[in-house]
Amino acid sequence: DARVTQTPRHKVTEMGQEVTMRCQPILGHNTVFWYRQTMMQGLELLAYFRNRAPLDDSGMPKDRFSAEMPDATLATLKIQPSEPRDSAVYFCASGFSMGAPKSGNTIYFGEGSWLTVV
Amino acid sequence: TQLLEQSPQFLSIQEGENLTVYCNSSSVFSSLQWYRQEPGEGPVLLVTVVTGGEVKKLKRLTFQFGDARKDSSLHITAAQPGDTGLYLCAGPQGAQKLVFGQGTRLTINP
Repeated sequence: DARVTQTPRHKVTEMGQEVTMRCQPILGHNTVFWYRQTMMQGLELLAYFRNRAPLDDSGMPKDRFSAEMPDATLATLKIQPSEPRDSAVYFCASGFSMGAPKSGNTIYFGEGSWLTVV
Repeated sequence: TQLLEQSPQFLSIQEGENLTVYCNSSSVFSSLQWYRQEPGEGPVLLVTVVTGGEVKKLKRLTFQFGDARKDSSLHITAAQPGDTGLYLCAGPQGAQKLVFGQGTRLTINP
């Protein structure tokens, strides 16, 4: 059963520490998204990649966040240094798209990484 | 930026009742999607609507895309406790980005 795999599922860290979240997209998918979910803001798009190339990371605080895809089977989201306001659930999602506007991009979410920064 | 506003934010009803939740925007979308998210899990796609005025049914769930493609609704008939969850609408922004509404948190009480 193909699914998006995220690690870690839960992470508690102290302010100032580096946090790295990892995502294995569904094999064959060419688009990867990172979302952050909080009660106040809902689901916010942080960054997305197509064919491993970053297409948009305008939703991501550049000074402390970075997202990469070292290869087609791994996407990473790094926070350095972490702050309490970064506490949220971080979701990775993957899909396959040719980019057509009416394609109705279908994406599949992982179970999320629950981050708490104290 | 195309925004999606969902209403109500919270809805708690008794098992067996009917309900409708809404997703509205001032912008035209080429398509809209509805997702359901259960606690501790990621959102799961329920349906995609593409054509203005389109109606899709998924068992007791009926999805409608507005004629002008600026809004959508989800109607649940005879709600069951298993319908409890966060319902999210989402639409494409530009060629690839998918933006989400804030969601409607639905609770069905036995």
